[in-house]
Amino acid sequence: GAVVSQHPSWVICKSGTSVKIECRSLDFQATTMFWYRQFPKQSLMLMATSNEGSKATYEQGVEKDKFLINHASLTLSTLTVTSAHPEDSSFYICSARPSGRYEQYFGPGTRLTVT
Amino acid sequence: SQQGEEDPQALSIQEGENATMNCSYKTSINNLQWYRQNSGRGLVHLILIRSNEREKHSGRLRVTLDTSKKSSSLLITASRAADTASYFCATALSGAGSYQLTFGKGTKLSVIP
Repeated sequence: GAVVSQHPSWVICKSGTSVKIECRSLDFQATTMFWYRQFPKQSLMLMATSNEGSKATYEQGVEKDKFLINHASLTLSTLTVTSAHPEDSSFYICSARPSGRYEQYFGPGTRLTVT
Repeated sequence: SQQGEEDPQALSIQEGENATMNCSYKTSINNLQWYRQNSGRGLVHLILIRSNEREKHSGRLRVTLDTSKKSSSLLITASRAADTASYFCATALSGAGSYQLTFGKGTKLSVIP
């Protein structure tokens, strides 16, 4: 149980284009979903927290107009990287928190490369 | 800023040996969690210990928490090659917003067959 999928697993896009990443909780309802960014050999940096049906809360330094988050249902959240630049290249990981639980269940991650 | 700091940054042991990783944090917490990450993959939740708990076991894993020292340790007994991964501690702060986790930098464990 507690499986989270993430799609796509990797994507290459050209500078200036937008990319959408989907995060789904497959066998539970996620009250909250989180989006992280991870640079090589580094820890996870929380980008934003999203609750179903409400606006995402972004961490300091994360541009909300650049990283659009939509949490349309209790099982789906999307992250759209708009007008991508090479510096946006990174490993993006989502997680989902079941209602009443503190644990987070992570997707397998999406490797984004912007050329 | 990072809440948790793991120690050591890297650890290499022989299969069958025990591996101990430590985590220190700075502020009051609701709970502390340990996660494992295989290279290039997502994280897997291992164990959660609440602030009022001192020790917790799960299979070959043993976690301790010392809130007075603001530190935790993860012990993996009888290690296997499959335990090779990066291990992160993550803290959930006390009070509002305690569902957010702040991750440490991780310990990279290599278990040599």
